[in-house]
Amino acid sequence: DSGVTQTPKHLITATGQRVTLRCSPRSGDLSVYWYQQSLDQGLQFLIQYYNGEERAKGNILERFSAQQFPDLHSELNLSSLELGDSALYFCASSVDPTGTRANVLTFGAGSRLTVL
Amino acid sequence: GQQVMQIPQYQHVQEGEDFTTYCNSSTTLSNIQWYKQRPGGHPVFLIQLVKSGEVKKQKRLTFQFGEAKKNSSLHITATQTTDVGTYFCAGLAGYQKVTFGTGTKLQVIP
Repeated sequence: DSGVTQTPKHLITATGQRVTLRCSPRSGDLSVYWYQQSLDQGLQFLIQYYNGEERAKGNILERFSAQQFPDLHSELNLSSLELGDSALYFCASSVDPTGTRANVLTFGAGSRLTVL
Repeated sequence: GQQVMQIPQYQHVQEGEDFTTYCNSSTTLSNIQWYKQRPGGHPVFLIQLVKSGEVKKQKRLTFQFGEAKKNSSLHITATQTTDVGTYFCAGLAGYQKVTFGTGTKLQVIP
C-alpha cells in the first residue's frame, strides 16, 4: 500500500457519459498529480495541484477537469467520454514541494476506465 | 514542449544477461528519476539523480546522469525474472512539471 488511495479501481461506462475519479494523497503530501496511461503506453501528464491550487498543466483535454479540495483530496472529472478515453488513470502525490525530493512521486494503484 | 525519449522501447533478455535503457531529454533537466512499473502495477520510485555526471548503484542496478544533464541510463547486471517490468525515467525541467519518458519494457526469459 503506497498510501495514495484511488477510487474506483475499475469503471465501465458508455460514450457520452461523465465520470469522476477520486484520489487521496499520502498523509502530509501537498501536491497531487494526474497521469493517463493508455494500453501499453507511457504516462501522459494531465495536471498538478499544490495545496488546492493548479500548479502545472499538461495535455489535458477541455472535456477533462480537476480540482484539489481543502482536505487535499483531488478529483478528476471526465465528461463527454469517448472510446479513446479508455485508459488507466493514475494519481500521484509528492512529499515536499520545495525540497530536494519535491517531485519524487508516490503513485496510487490507478483507476481503470473502460468506455464502451 | 519538453520531450523525454527512451530506447529501446522493448527488450527481451535471457536471465543472467545484462540490460541497459537510455533516456534522452530535449531540454536540460534539474534532476532525473527512475521508476519501475511491474505488469498490472503502478510506477514505483527507484532513485533520483541530481548532479551532473552522478552515478548511483542499487545492488545490480546502476544509474547514471549525463554531464550535460540531458540524458541518463539504467543498467541492470545479470537480470533476474523479478526485473520484469517497464522502466521509466522522469525529468524535472521548469517548475515542478515532471515529464515521464516513453518507457522501456523489459522481458526476462528464464
